[in-house]
Amino acid sequence: QKEVEQDPGPLSVPEGAIVSLNCTYSNSAFQYFMWYRQYSRKGPELLMYTYSSGNKEDGRFTAQVDKSSKYISLFIRDSQPSDSATYLCAMSDTGNQFYFGTGTSLTVIP
Amino acid sequence: EPEVTQTPSHQVTQMGQEVILRCVPISNHLYFYWYRQILGQKVEFLVSFYNNEISEKSEIFDDQFSVERPDGSNFTLKIRSTKLEDSAMYFCAIFKGTEAFFGQGTRLTVV
Repeated sequence: QKEVEQDPGPLSVPEGAIVSLNCTYSNSAFQYFMWYRQYSRKGPELLMYTYSSGNKEDGRFTAQVDKSSKYISLFIRDSQPSDSATYLCAMSDTGNQFYFGTGTSLTVIP
Repeated sequence: EPEVTQTPSHQVTQMGQEVILRCVPISNHLYFYWYRQILGQKVEFLVSFYNNEISEKSEIFDDQFSVERPDGSNFTLKIRSTKLEDSAMYFCAIFKGTEAFFGQGTRLTVV
């Protein structure tokens, strides 16, 4: 069983839509959770960081962690064409080695 | 300004040749990481480097790979005898607290 599962998409939405991106994981010891945005042929860019369970909001982005279900989500409100990218979830137990999902490719259509 | 700068941005090498990928953090960090991403696949952990020693490494990081901090600031990833399957984007990353910041990557193409 993979450490982290993420639907690769691709996901295509109209501008202004609410986007929901999700990851599931198997290791109950994970406590550090991150979302990265990666544009084509660029390095991953840290978007959101959450420690343990709960919600975190930053502008149009909301990250949710449900440790009981081993499920994390990233919501993007009022999606923009500039949000078109691959979104990677990553998580860790010790904060040392991070395990990444495969990434979800998102296209926001004007 | 990015937390880490990687050079070169793209390197083409012949199979069997040695390559050295470089990473320069903007400020002094003790904890340091290398990841790779084969085209279309997930980001994979290679090795973590703490205080001039390997802290943790993955199965990918075999004897062909080595890491060094040659001059106290730059970090290098060396692949001794490249194989076709080493073609990938290689990212270095530093941690500030528990948040990881990645460089822009080096695209390695082995022909």
